[in-house]
Amino acid sequence: TQLLEQSPQFLSIQEGENLTVYCNSSSVFSSLQWYRQEPGEGPVLLVTVVTGGEVKKLKRLTFQFGDARKDSSLHITAAQTGDTGLYLCAGRLSGGSYIPTFGRGTSLIVHP
Amino acid sequence: GAVVSQHPSWVICKSGTSVKIECRSLDFQATTMFWYRQFPKQSLMLMATSNEGSKATYEQGVEKDKFLINHASLTLSTLTVTSAHPEDSSFYICSVGGGLAGDTQYFGPGTRLTVL
Repeated sequence: TQLLEQSPQFLSIQEGENLTVYCNSSSVFSSLQWYRQEPGEGPVLLVTVVTGGEVKKLKRLTFQFGDARKDSSLHITAAQTGDTGLYLCAGRLSGGSYIPTFGRGTSLIVHP
Repeated sequence: GAVVSQHPSWVICKSGTSVKIECRSLDFQATTMFWYRQFPKQSLMLMATSNEGSKATYEQGVEKDKFLINHASLTLSTLTVTSAHPEDSSFYICSVGGGLAGDTQYFGPGTRLTVL
């Protein structure tokens, strides 16, 4: 059973389009991270959200943590080819020991 | 954030040989390091949690005698794939986290292992 369900698994869009990636769980997380990974490299942290309802922006990327801290979303506005990569959400379960939990990832391809 | 390096970045070996992968935390004293395995276009699969000065904690289904982990110092953890077989071919990534890093993980660049 996957604690963090990410959707969609694959996304292929044209440059300039908007997209949203979702990360859902039935469990409560004390914090949640979003990473981006390019082929042949390790994941790079994009953002950490810790407060229910929190919204963070990173240029064209908007991250939201659900009010109940069970879900999160990543919205990209006007996607660019440089946004291509694997997007991973990960979180720390509330009240649990620090064992990282990762979603399955969303593979995004942005075509020129 | 922490800077993490891995060596080698890629390795090709013959079936039956052992391969050692190093993970170094360059600017962060890491009491805990994590080892992951990743197949193409898939997410990370946690293999084990490496604790400095003590035995690693392995995830269910990961053979501890096959994947030997040593975390002898606060800046170095090693993963040795013993008697490697073609099915061990994968992308191996380490990370540091916890402590001063909080819930964030800082990843190494990964090591591509190909077993012929």
